[in-house]
Amino acid sequence: KAGVTQTPRYLIKTRGQQVTLSCSPISGHRSVSWYQQTPGQGLQFLFEYFSETQRNKGNFPGRFSGRQFSNSRSEMNVSTLELGDSALYLCASSWGAGGPEEQYFGPGTRLTVT
Amino acid sequence: KNEVEQSPQNLTAQEGEFITINCSYSVGISALHWLQQHPGGGIVSLFMLSSGKKKHGRLIATINIQEKHSSLHITASHPRDSAVYICAVPPSSGSARQLTFGSGTQLTVLP
Repeated sequence: KAGVTQTPRYLIKTRGQQVTLSCSPISGHRSVSWYQQTPGQGLQFLFEYFSETQRNKGNFPGRFSGRQFSNSRSEMNVSTLELGDSALYLCASSWGAGGPEEQYFGPGTRLTVT
Repeated sequence: KNEVEQSPQNLTAQEGEFITINCSYSVGISALHWLQQHPGGGIVSLFMLSSGKKKHGRLIATINIQEKHSSLHITASHPRDSAVYICAVPPSSGSARQLTFGSGTQLTVLP
C-alpha cells in the first residue's frame, strides 16, 4: 500500500510570508503527527491530529497551526515566517490507537526561509 | 518531560564490525522507538519495543526498563547501514505520539 506522502518536497519562502505543507497518511491511518527537524534542536514534536481534532501540541508559538480533513489528510501552516523556521518538516501517520504504536514517516518537506 | 541521551554521537566502523548504539531516558515509558534516517531526510521506523529484545535481520534492539536504557546492535555491519540512528520515547502520560527524540548517532561504515 502507498506510504505517507508530503507535498511539496522543497520550498523557499521569504521572511514574513506564510506557508502551508500537506501530508497524506497511509490509507486507514487516522492519526497524523508533525515534527520539525533542525540542526540545532534536532527533532521536535509539533502537533498530532486524530479524527480532525488536534490531540496534542508541542512547545511551538501560535504561528504554527494545523488541521486535519475528514479523509485524514493533514496540513500545517506557518505564518509570518522567520529565518529560524528553516527546517525539515516531517509528518508521520499511525492508526491512532491509545497506546504506543509504530509510526510511518513521510519523506519530509524541506523549507528554507530567506 | 523525558530527557533522552544517546551515545555515541558519531561512530565510524569497518565493514563487518559489530555496532552498538546506546539510549538512556529519564522517566519511565511504555515503549521506545528506534528510527533510521538516511541522507535526504527520510525516516524509517526500525523497532518499537517495551520489554526484552527484538531482532530483524542483522539488527537487534534491547531494552532494560528498570535501568531506563536501550541498545541498538548491528551485526556484520555494511556500508549501506551508514545513516543516523535515533531513539525516541513517548511521555509518561499523554499521547504516545508526542515523542521526545535523542540527538541521534551518525554511523559511517567503511568498506
